[in-house]
Amino acid sequence: TQLLEQSPQFLSIQEGENLTVYCNSSSVFSSLQWYRQEPGEGPVLLVTVVTGGEVKKLKRLTFQFGDARKDSSLHITAAQPGDTGLYLCAGARGSGTYKYIFGTGTRLKVLA
Amino acid sequence: DAGITQSPRHKVTETGTPVTLRCHQTENHRYMYWYRQDPGHGLRLIHYSYGVKDTDKGEVSDGYSVSRSKTEDFLLTLESATSSQTSVYFCAISERLIGPYYEQYFGPGTRLTVT
Repeated sequence: TQLLEQSPQFLSIQEGENLTVYCNSSSVFSSLQWYRQEPGEGPVLLVTVVTGGEVKKLKRLTFQFGDARKDSSLHITAAQPGDTGLYLCAGARGSGTYKYIFGTGTRLKVLA
Repeated sequence: DAGITQSPRHKVTETGTPVTLRCHQTENHRYMYWYRQDPGHGLRLIHYSYGVKDTDKGEVSDGYSVSRSKTEDFLLTLESATSSQTSVYFCAISERLIGPYYEQYFGPGTRLTVT
């Protein structure tokens, strides 16, 4: 059972455009993480959000955790070719938990 | 960098042979994980460990066993490899962020091909 749905699955945009990736669930998560993965490498943690409604910014990336803690979004402003990769969200259920459920990912390609 | 290494990085093996993948960490993390990543399925948890000799199953544990005799090493064994176990395998550790919240960090992966 896939509890975390990511959309879109694929996204190809021009350099300089803005984009938003979504991570949705019918389940409540205590925390949610976003990763970026490049070919042949492991996922690299970008951010962890733990409070409903929380917004975190990492340079041109803005992450938001939904008020109900069931969804999250990642917004990239002025995308660059270096942003190309697979973006994954992962949710933890229950406080103090150490198990995560991953979404299937959004594959982003930014064209120069 | 969470100090995670995996070995081997690539392996080709034949159906029916046993295979052991090793994950090594240098920072004394309590929680360690094995995932597999396949197209269309994302990352799926195979087994995890919450201490030396303390392990539990994940969602896709059939055909896999694990062992953790030392804090720094977490071994994943395919007792009799099958073609359906061709995948990329990732090891991860969990590190406390704040309060009850943890973050996961991943190793570089092992690409396993079963012919």
